[in-house]
Amino acid sequence: ILNVEQSPQSLHVQEGDSTNFTCSFPSSNFYALHWYRWETAKSPEALFVMTLNGDEKKKGRISATLNTKEGYSYLYIKGSQPEDSATYLCAENTGNQFYFGTGTSLTVIP
Amino acid sequence: KAGVTQTPRYLIKTRGQQVTLSCSPISGHRSVSWYQQTPGQGLQFLFEYFSETQRNKGNFPGRFSGRQFSNSRSEMNVSTLELGDSALYLCASSQAGTDTQYFGPGTRLTVL
Repeated sequence: ILNVEQSPQSLHVQEGDSTNFTCSFPSSNFYALHWYRWETAKSPEALFVMTLNGDEKKKGRISATLNTKEGYSYLYIKGSQPEDSATYLCAENTGNQFYFGTGTSLTVIP
Repeated sequence: KAGVTQTPRYLIKTRGQQVTLSCSPISGHRSVSWYQQTPGQGLQFLFEYFSETQRNKGNFPGRFSGRQFSNSRSEMNVSTLELGDSALYLCASSQAGTDTQYFGPGTRLTVL
């Protein structure tokens, strides 16, 4: 069983603040790293799939980086908005299955 | 395209009973995976089906089983329910050749 860890567990930020969270994963059987956004009462929504060391992905105000050698990924949100409030999940895909972290719950205060 | 659908959305059962959950993937998606989420736990992988065959299996007891039909719809069955089986069960589908998963809204199972 792989241990994918996310920190912090929860975060409250003011609207307009930039923030980031961490996903740590064992890198021995790495295939891909996935980020999802999960809003309350909705389905998890795929944000990024990252495969190469040094990968950087961006979608609007959200971006992510990947370091497979040291086993971590950062998710950044620039200028947080209330609609960014959600739980952000990361998952390591080993090629056989996905191992999810417990998520970072982000609340953006207007 | 319609998204992943799951039925029922909510279910209440008692210990010892069995339950069947259903998942209809996005049209054209042949892979369906099932996950369990309990409070404080990340999504735990149950199994994955592709073209009616179980391709991968997580670390769950044999009371948890599944199947996939020729139209890619999948069912998950839990027999002899225990209180600890109370959870949100999510299914996700993906297209062959890609590993981006698209999740359904989940089935909330409560075992009394």
